[in-house]
Amino acid sequence: QQQVKQSPQSLIVQKGGISIINCAYENTAFDYFPWYQQFPGKGPALLIAIRPDVSEKKEGRFTISFNKSAKQFSLHIMDSQPGDSATYFCAASISGSRLTFGEGTQLTVNP
Amino acid sequence: ETGVTQSPTHLIKTRGQQVTLRCSSQSGHNTVSWYQQALGQGPQFIFQYYREEENGRGNFPPRFSGLQFPNYSSELNVNALELDDSALYLCASTKEQASYGYTFGSGTRLTVV
Repeated sequence: QQQVKQSPQSLIVQKGGISIINCAYENTAFDYFPWYQQFPGKGPALLIAIRPDVSEKKEGRFTISFNKSAKQFSLHIMDSQPGDSATYFCAASISGSRLTFGEGTQLTVNP
Repeated sequence: ETGVTQSPTHLIKTRGQQVTLRCSSQSGHNTVSWYQQALGQGPQFIFQYYREEENGRGNFPPRFSGLQFPNYSSELNVNALELDDSALYLCASTKEQASYGYTFGSGTRLTVV
């Protein structure tokens, strides 16, 4: 059962542009929504995370927008750089327990 | 402070064989989780160990088993390997079982032929 759906599957953005990745979840018990960045040959690394009591969280060029009523959340990468080229995963968990991941978005930022 | 280390990095096994993968958790972390990541997909939760006890399991058959040792390192064992078991196996550790700061290792790439 796919509880977290992620789109798009792949994304190509020009340097300096905005990258937007969307996720939707089904289980209303989820209370923690992290985003992970994964480079080839590496494990996922936590990028930014949000709890459902806030609608937006910003850390540097990365912003999470959260819509509790729509059960959707998204990652915005401002001023995208070639070094941001990686696979991004959204995830969700209940009280910090097992992570349920989306299917991933392969981001390519062209110079 | 060392991160999560996994061994081996790559492994090739024959269908029907058994395999053991190892994970050393990050210093200060007592909870270890294992995930299976098939090519082009997101990681799938296998199980979690907290203070040497399994305290959560995903939708994986019993031939996937694990251990956690007193130093909080962990093993993932897979018996009767199938071709579909070919994947990247990721270990993640965190300070407590209901914690939000998971640190992932770089994984073990298992190929079953």
